[in-house]
Amino acid sequence: DAGITQSPRHKVTETGTPVTLRCHQTENHRYMYWYRQDPGHGLRLIHYSYGVKDTDKGEVSDGYSVSRSKTEDFLLTLESATSSQTSVYFCAINADRGLTEAFFGQGTRLTVV
Amino acid sequence: GENVEQHPSTLSVQEGDSAVIKCTYSDSASNYFPWYKQELGKRPQLIIDIRSNVGEKKDQRIAVTLNKTAKHFSLHITETQPEDSAVYFCAAKGPNTGNQFYFGTGTSLTVIP
Repeated sequence: DAGITQSPRHKVTETGTPVTLRCHQTENHRYMYWYRQDPGHGLRLIHYSYGVKDTDKGEVSDGYSVSRSKTEDFLLTLESATSSQTSVYFCAINADRGLTEAFFGQGTRLTVV
Repeated sequence: GENVEQHPSTLSVQEGDSAVIKCTYSDSASNYFPWYKQELGKRPQLIIDIRSNVGEKKDQRIAVTLNKTAKHFSLHITETQPEDSAVYFCAAKGPNTGNQFYFGTGTSLTVIP
């Protein structure tokens, strides 16, 4: 398996609190992605990064911010968590713009109460 | 941007029968089509992929076909086994997607022993 780990694996937080999820890779891949997975919606892109300090929005970016200060780490922050952000979050990495697959982390189950 | 639709959303088959999952895409420039399998509580993992320069690819009991003219691709699983029960996702990527992967909404496959 590709070297990609997410932390924490599970988190319960209260509405209105900030939350940060971490994705760490040891593959030196350029591209990193954050997805959320909800029943009936599949995998929806929140934000992605194409290099250190280079990030862009995905289709469901409202309420989320990201940062990538090092190649190996991609952080996802919920500025003020809401119940609608209860979901399973997956980080993924991809080597380049070529015809290669994305590798996924183990996922983080976030519950906002 | 790209739009990927996947059908059916659920599929039940008897053990030993074949299963077919279909996806359509909207951007004719997309040129890479991976398929992922996600077992309950696990991360999505690549099972097979196809590039736009080929029409079919096989790997043991799994095959993928691509029709570029109609902009659809399909996953075929023959001689299904209970361990094939999972959620399957198709995806598309190409030069117009900014290296983003666009995923279908998933198919929950149940193989009945």
